[in-house]
Amino acid sequence: AQRVTQPEKLLSVFKGAPVELKCNYSYSGSPELFWYVQYSRQRLQLLLRHISRESIKGFTADLNKGETSFHLKKPFAQEEDSAMYYCALIKGGSYIPTFGRGTSLIVHP
Amino acid sequence: DTGVSQDPRHKITKRGQNVTFRCDPISEHNRLYWYRQTLGQGPEFLTYFQNEAQLEKSRLLSDRFSAERPKGSFSTLEIQRTEQGDSAMYLCASSPTSGYVAGELFFGEGSRLTVL
Repeated sequence: AQRVTQPEKLLSVFKGAPVELKCNYSYSGSPELFWYVQYSRQRLQLLLRHISRESIKGFTADLNKGETSFHLKKPFAQEEDSAMYYCALIKGGSYIPTFGRGTSLIVHP
Repeated sequence: DTGVSQDPRHKITKRGQNVTFRCDPISEHNRLYWYRQTLGQGPEFLTYFQNEAQLEKSRLLSDRFSAERPKGSFSTLEIQRTEQGDSAMYLCASSPTSGYVAGELFFGEGSRLTVL
C-alpha cells in the first residue's frame, strides 16, 4: 500500500527565509505527487502537481524517485504563505489521493 | 455555483445515536469522495463514487458507516451507533471527468462531528 510521510508537524521561519517542507513516499509503482494547501478558514485546495513542473506562488517541488521524495520549496517565504500543507500521492490507475499528515508553516514578520 | 457544499457544518451527538451528513458536489462533477480528518492528521480516504456507483471503500469504513449517491448527484454519509472515536471532520470532495486535472479535487468546508 502507498504511504506519504511528512516528518515535520510544524515549520516556523521568518519572512524572507527559505522554506523546505519535506515529503517522502512509499509506493512500488509510478506515482503522481501533489501538494495541497489549506489557508486559515479556507478549504483544502490543490497547490501544485509534479507533472506540471511549474512554480505556483513561488513554490516548486521536484519528484526525486531515487530518494522517493517530493519536497516543497520556496526561496523567500512570505507571511501569507502561513498555512497547512499536505503532500498527496495518487497511485497508477487511481483517482484517489492518499494524504500525509500535514505540516503547519508559520512565517513570522 | 459556490463549490462543494456540506451540511451540517457542525453536529454534536451522544454516543449511540445515528448521524447523517450531506454533500452537494459541484454541478456536473461525476466523481465524489469522502474523507475523514482527525486532529493532527491528514485527510483519510473513506469512499469514492463515480456517478451513482460506489467504486471504492476504505477499510476505515466499518459496517456502521454507509454512503450513498442516488442519481449521481448529492451524497449522504450515515454513521450508525456513533462512538467517541467517530469524532472528526468529515470532508467531501468532487472532481469532473471531462476537463479533469489529475489530482485536483475540490473540497467542501467539512462537517465536524463531536460524539459525547
